[in-house]
Amino acid sequence: ILNVEQSPQSLHVQEGDSTNFTCSFPSSNFYALHWYRWETAKSPEALFVMTLNGDEKKKGRISATLNTKEGYSYLYIKGSQPEDSATYLCAPHYGGSQGNLIFGKGTKLSVKP
Amino acid sequence: DAGVIQSPRHEVTEMGQEVTLRCKPISGHNSLFWYRQTMMRGLELLIYFNNNVPIDDSGMPEDRFSAKMPNASFSTLKIQPSEPRDSAVYFCASSERTSGSAQFFGPGTRLTVL
Repeated sequence: ILNVEQSPQSLHVQEGDSTNFTCSFPSSNFYALHWYRWETAKSPEALFVMTLNGDEKKKGRISATLNTKEGYSYLYIKGSQPEDSATYLCAPHYGGSQGNLIFGKGTKLSVKP
Repeated sequence: DAGVIQSPRHEVTEMGQEVTLRCKPISGHNSLFWYRQTMMRGLELLIYFNNNVPIDDSGMPEDRFSAKMPNASFSTLKIQPSEPRDSAVYFCASSERTSGSAQFFGPGTRLTVL
């Protein structure tokens, strides 16, 4: 069973704070890493898909980096806003073109105004 | 595009009854995924299809669960007979291809088995 770990499990920050969290995953047979944003009572929404070691992706105030050799990815949020409150899921993809995603349990972010 | 469509949004049934969940993927997407979300286990992949063909059903909990994709625009997940431990939110997602492209999730079906 592949173990995908996300830390911290939950995070409470003030509006305007910058924050980051970690996704750790087995690097063997790795194909790609997905990040999803999941608001309460909604569906997961794709943020990034990264494949190459050293990849960096950015979407507005949110960015992510990838280290495939050591098996980790960081998600950064600059100047957190209350609307950033959600659970952030990472999901590495294994097994090449016919593989599937293994989701972590997520980091639940709460941003207080 | 309306996105991934799932029906029903909520289903309450009694133990032993058959339950059928439905999904319409985004037009043009070749891959379709069924997930189950529970508090204990998080988001788990049940089965996925590529070009209507089941590729991996190792996540299907037991023989009571079955899934079909008769054409590119429709898939069903059936539970027969249903049990209280099947209560969960079931998500369908689709993507352009199995690997390397983002998955788009439907709104989910909240299933309660009494």
